[in-house]
Amino acid sequence: QVQLVESGGGVVQPGRSLRLSCAASGFTFSIYGMHWVRQAPGKGLDWVAVMSYDGSNEYYADSVKGRFTISRDNSKKMLYLQMNSLRTEDTAVYYCAKVSPGVTAIKAGFDYWGQGTLVTVSS
Amino acid sequence: QSALTQPPSASGSPGQSVTISCTGTSSDVGGYNYVSWYQQHPGKAPKLMIYEVSKRPSGVPDRFSGSKSGDTASLTVSGLQAEDEAEYYCSSYADSNNVLFGGGTKLTVL
Repeated sequence: QVQLVESGGGVVQPGRSLRLSCAASGFTFSIYGMHWVRQAPGKGLDWVAVMSYDGSNEYYADSVKGRFTISRDNSKKMLYLQMNSLRTEDTAVYYCAKVSPGVTAIKAGFDYWGQGTLVTVSS
Repeated sequence: QSALTQPPSASGSPGQSVTISCTGTSSDVGGYNYVSWYQQHPGKAPKLMIYEVSKRPSGVPDRFSGSKSGDTASLTVSGLQAEDEAEYYCSSYADSNNVLFGGGTKLTVL
């Protein structure tokens, strides 16, 4: 069965960096685009970034553009999110999500989600 | 770009039908047939219920259906059951390679 397991969250001071990881299993990782979506405590869902199946395309929400970088290693079935210059408003649970098949990654629904990893940005 | 607009709450009795709206613009909901709906129970990850406006993933009951008219998409839950009580979010592809979510609707089964 499809499994997505995020890791790397924690407490970090404003301005510092953090790298999140998402380990995928149960499906052919190398043929699916992947997203990061976040959810601040008690708030709604907020799209962060997407990467195509082969890493050739990546897109970001305006709120993280220039600070966050999405990447993937298909040989290891891993997705990453490098987060730099963190702000208090980046505090959230970060989910990785697999795209549903049939359309390009940026347009697809997210058919499987991990359980999330909490990032807290605080001094 | 602004988030999509959803009513904060909706409710219905068991067996009834309820419809949740998701309003955007011609740059997102109205311009593309890439609207999805997610169900989220407290403390859990979201679950895909509808994609590409009206398609249901395998395993999602056919009590859940989606539609779109102009800049507004809708999720209808028929034959409400207690386990349908959850938060529901819409999302849409938007111009310039963006993805927008709605603010969420808390569905209460009375």
